[in-house]
Amino acid sequence: QKEVEQDPGPLSVPEGAIVSLNCTYSNSAFQYFMWYRQYSRKGPELLMYTYSSGNKEDGRFTAQVDKSSKYISLFIRDSQPSDSATYLCAMNTDKLIFGTGTRLQVFP
Amino acid sequence: GAGVSQSPSNKVTEKGKDVELRCDPISGHTALYWYRQSLGQGLEFLIYFQGNSAPDKSGLPSDRFSAERTGGSVSTLTIQRTQQEDSAVYLCASSLVEGNTIYFGEGSWLTVV
Repeated sequence: QKEVEQDPGPLSVPEGAIVSLNCTYSNSAFQYFMWYRQYSRKGPELLMYTYSSGNKEDGRFTAQVDKSSKYISLFIRDSQPSDSATYLCAMNTDKLIFGTGTRLQVFP
Repeated sequence: GAGVSQSPSNKVTEKGKDVELRCDPISGHTALYWYRQSLGQGLEFLIYFQGNSAPDKSGLPSDRFSAERTGGSVSTLTIQRTQQEDSAVYLCASSLVEGNTIYFGEGSWLTVV
């Protein structure tokens, strides 16, 4: 079993839709939870960073962490074609462990 | 520069040759990481350096892979006797301290033919 599980998609949604991206994990020692966005042929860029259980909102993006269920989510409201990318969850104690990434396509 | 800088951005090499990939982290960042990303795959941890501590090499896939970090700054990832399965994007990242958010470079795209 992988430490971090993420559905690879692809996920295709119309512009304006609410997108839900999810990861599960097995290591209860993970303390920090992040979401990275990676455009084609680019390095991953940090999107959201959370430490504790609960929700964190930044514009159209909301990160949610449920440590009791070992489950994290990223919600994107009013999705735009420019959100089309691969979204990677990541979590760590010392080094970051990544999910495989979910490829998202938002069509006009 | 302001971000993590990697070179070369693209490298095509013949099977059996050695390659060196370079990473220049963000100034002042003490932690440096190397990851590998194959087509359609997630990021695979390779190695990380934290200050003057011994590096965590637990992710290196074979003894053909090695990395060093000179002077606590620039790092070089070396792959000896390259194989076709080594073809991937090699991503370097750095963070201010261990476990903190890490920032990636654009990657070195390696193709072994």
